[in-house]
Amino acid sequence: QVQLVESGGGVVQPGGSLRLSCVATGFTFSRHGMCWVRQAPGKGLEWVAVTSYNGDYKYYADSVKGRFTVSRDNSKNTLYLQMNSLRADDAAVYYCAMRPAGYNWFDPWGQGTLVTVSS
Amino acid sequence: SYVLTQSPSVSVAPGETATITCGGNNIGSKRVHWYQQKSRQAPVLVVHDNSDRPSGIPERFSGSNFGGTATLTVSRVEAGDEADYYCQVWDINSDHYVFGSGTKVTVL
Repeated sequence: QVQLVESGGGVVQPGGSLRLSCVATGFTFSRHGMCWVRQAPGKGLEWVAVTSYNGDYKYYADSVKGRFTVSRDNSKNTLYLQMNSLRADDAAVYYCAMRPAGYNWFDPWGQGTLVTVSS
Repeated sequence: SYVLTQSPSVSVAPGETATITCGGNNIGSKRVHWYQQKSRQAPVLVVHDNSDRPSGIPERFSGSNFGGTATLTVSRVEAGDEADYYCQVWDINSDHYVFGSGTKVTVL
């Protein structure tokens, strides 16, 4: 079945870096867009970044633009999020999700990986 | 930037109907999608493109988008429907995806 599994979360100091990964199984990864969505503790969902099926197009939320980079390796069925210059307000559960080709909704989602920013 | 507005909470008795609204500028021109997020779980898509249900989602979940408001309706509410519900759109002007602030549905 379709499955997305995130990893790479952890504790990082302010100003530090972290790279998240999302491995996809059960569908043709290279045909679909992918995105990252985050959720701070006790808060709502916030879209972070999206990439097209081949990685040619990438868009970012204003809150992370210039600090985060989304990428993908279709040969490994893996999505990445490189996070630099991390701040306290970047602390959240980060979810990856599939954006089906031709649509602008997200389904399915991974289980999420927790990023904590603390000194 | 585009903003989606949701009421913070809705309470409903079992068997009754929960109505969750989502407002935004000219929202009728957009395709609205809805997600259910139960406690400590990842979100699940329950309605896409205003009124379409993904496979596996019960018919009790329905959506509409007219009159300046998008609405998710949950009929014959069950205890298992207790969750946070988020609306979402794509803003063509910015190529950004936008989520509403979420509505917490409590089943009495």
